[in-house]
Amino acid sequence: DTGVSQNPRHKITKRGQNVTFRCDPISEHNRLYWYRQTLGQGPEFLTYFQNEAQLEKSRLLSDRFSAERPKGSFSTLEIQRTEQGDSAMYLCASSSSSPYNEQFFGPGTRLTVL
Amino acid sequence: SQQGEEDPQALSIQEGENATMNCSYKTSINNLQWYRQNSGRGLVHLILIRSNEREKHSGRLRVTLDTSKKSSSLLITASRAADTASYFCATDRGGGYQKVTFGTGTKLQVIP
Repeated sequence: DTGVSQNPRHKITKRGQNVTFRCDPISEHNRLYWYRQTLGQGPEFLTYFQNEAQLEKSRLLSDRFSAERPKGSFSTLEIQRTEQGDSAMYLCASSSSSPYNEQFFGPGTRLTVL
Repeated sequence: SQQGEEDPQALSIQEGENATMNCSYKTSINNLQWYRQNSGRGLVHLILIRSNEREKHSGRLRVTLDTSKKSSSLLITASRAADTASYFCATDRGGGYQKVTFGTGTKLQVIP
């Protein structure tokens, strides 16, 4: 069990550019979650996948954000036309089908939009 | 938006003392969980308490849940410098919904 991994760990981009982050969940976990965390705040839910199906999306996920999990394994989160307000830590988590929903988090990708 | 609020926002104690953090939330829940986050790192799951449970223990951790008051507390006994971290409560409402809503966190500093 290598845990949840995320790449890159840090991303600096200019406003207006597109960025893509990758998350590799724990291999036997069929649920995958994306969160955004800003300084001094708790993580905010963005979206959730059960296998390859995106089942829940937050209103925070504007049309500039898109997430995919094409084969039910790794997931990508893309932000188009980045804005300075997108600067945050983007966290990925995975869990099994347990009803108790214990989530295992990756180290996060820190995005800085200049 | 954040579902819950932790209280206090920050807490500083001496090593060996107990630390108590409180969490209040707004809507009915299925489970409540506590997570720890060390500076600049991902979150680590500590303990889960179901809505029909009132108290749970795990090592030096004790969690209580009062659904009538929509509140929970996390007690860390005999604190250690390594417990220095931010602590978050997180709730889900069940019913097939997997969204977990985190509180604003308590920043705990344990002074050696």
